Amino acid sequence: GNSVTQMEGPVTLSEEAFLTINCTYTATGYPSLFWYVQYPGEGLQLLLKATKADDKGSNKGFEATYRKETTSFHLEKGSVQVSDSAVYFCALKTQGGSEKLVFGKGTKLTVNP
Amino acid sequence: EAGVAQSPRYKIIEKRQSVAFWCNPISGHATLYWYQQILGQGPKLLIQFQNNGVVDDSQLPKDRFSAERLKGVDSTLKIQPAKLEDSAVYLCASSLMTGRTYEQYFGPGTRLTVT
Repeated sequence: GNSVTQMEGPVTLSEEAFLTINCTYTATGYPSLFWYVQYPGEGLQLLLKATKADDKGSNKGFEATYRKETTSFHLEKGSVQVSDSAVYFCALKTQGGSEKLVFGKGTKLTVNP
Repeated sequence: EAGVAQSPRYKIIEKRQSVAFWCNPISGHATLYWYQQILGQGPKLLIQFQNNGVVDDSQLPKDRFSAERLKGVDSTLKIQPAKLEDSAVYLCASSLMTGRTYEQYFGPGTRLTVT
């Protein structure tokens, strides 16, 4: 079946450090890939997405590239800020049928000043 | 543009009681989703509506959970009777249509605690 595996958290970084959160997926066909962010006390927000192989999604300094050969969609940011502290979810959406989102377990990021 | 609205934000009930959650999607959004997010896990789709018809309810525990979307706008999710393992955040989301390119917008969620 379709599934998403994220690196285990929590992740704690100092401000201006480099961030990588690994995400790999298993899916039939060619899914769309997403990163969602959940700030404390708030709902999920779409951070970035990629709909086909080699696409790069980017937003707010975050980037992720759809790698079909390694079935990965790792999230990166060159210099994190305290305000980036949140839980990050990798997700895929399959083709056909209900085209539902399948989420990973989430990775909690804490950035210290 | 107003976002997805949910109520209540928090609910505490005892096991075997019943509870209902309400969702108002973004105006004009045809597709509505209910997700269950257990602590430490990612959201899991319970049910998806396209207008007032069910598209996918394969992961809805139908012996105790029910959902409806009358008139293709608001939706309610009900649990009867609740079990301890139903403690979770229930998220409602909506999108303009069903499809890979349509973004889902999430509400703030209802945090349910079953004691």
